Amino acid sequence: QVQLVESGGGLVKPGGSLRLSCAASGFTFSDYFMTWIRQAPGKGLEWVSYIPGSSSYTNYADSVKGRFTISRDNAKNTLYLQMNSLRTEDTAVYYCARDLVERVGSGCPDQWGQGTLVTVSS
Amino acid sequence: EIVLTQSPATLSLSPGERATLSCRVSQSVSSYVAWHQQKPGQAPRLLIYDVSNRATGIPARFSGSGSGTDFTLTISSLEPEDFAVYYCQQRNNWPYTFGQGTKLEIK
Repeated sequence: QVQLVESGGGLVKPGGSLRLSCAASGFTFSDYFMTWIRQAPGKGLEWVSYIPGSSSYTNYADSVKGRFTISRDNAKNTLYLQMNSLRTEDTAVYYCARDLVERVGSGCPDQWGQGTLVTVSS
Repeated sequence: EIVLTQSPATLSLSPGERATLSCRVSQSVSSYVAWHQQKPGQAPRLLIYDVSNRATGIPARFSGSGSGTDFTLTISSLEPEDFAVYYCQQRNNWPYTFGQGTKLEIK
């Protein structure tokens, strides 16, 4: 079955960096767009970034553009999110999610990991 | 950025009742609206995509409808496990966005 397991979260000071990983299994990873979505404590969902299987382009929310970088290693079935210049407002649970449709990005996440908590605080 | 406004913020109903959740979108998103369910301490789960298509394994009591800028998620007869937060989401324009959620609670 599909499994997505995030790791790399933790406590970091404002201005610091963190790299999240998402290990995927149970499907052909390279065939799917992947995404990072976050949820601040007690708040709603915010789409952070999106990458196709080929890594040919990437999309970012304005709130993270220039600070976060999404990437993937299809040989390792792993998705990454490099987060630099972190701010207190980046505090959230970060979920990785797989797209609904193979090969053609649908913009609809249908399989979600359990999330990893990132806390940005001095 | 397309804004999705969900109503009501909280809906209090009893098991067996019908639930109707609304999602209004700030501009037309064609049929690219999805609904996700989230229970406390869990990741969201896709229920409905492209307005009215149930995701794999989703019971038939969940249905979606609407067009243009107004969309609805209906749960025909509430089961105890349906009490959760529901989010609508659009994928018509980047950045893809979610509504603020409707909390469905037991009355």
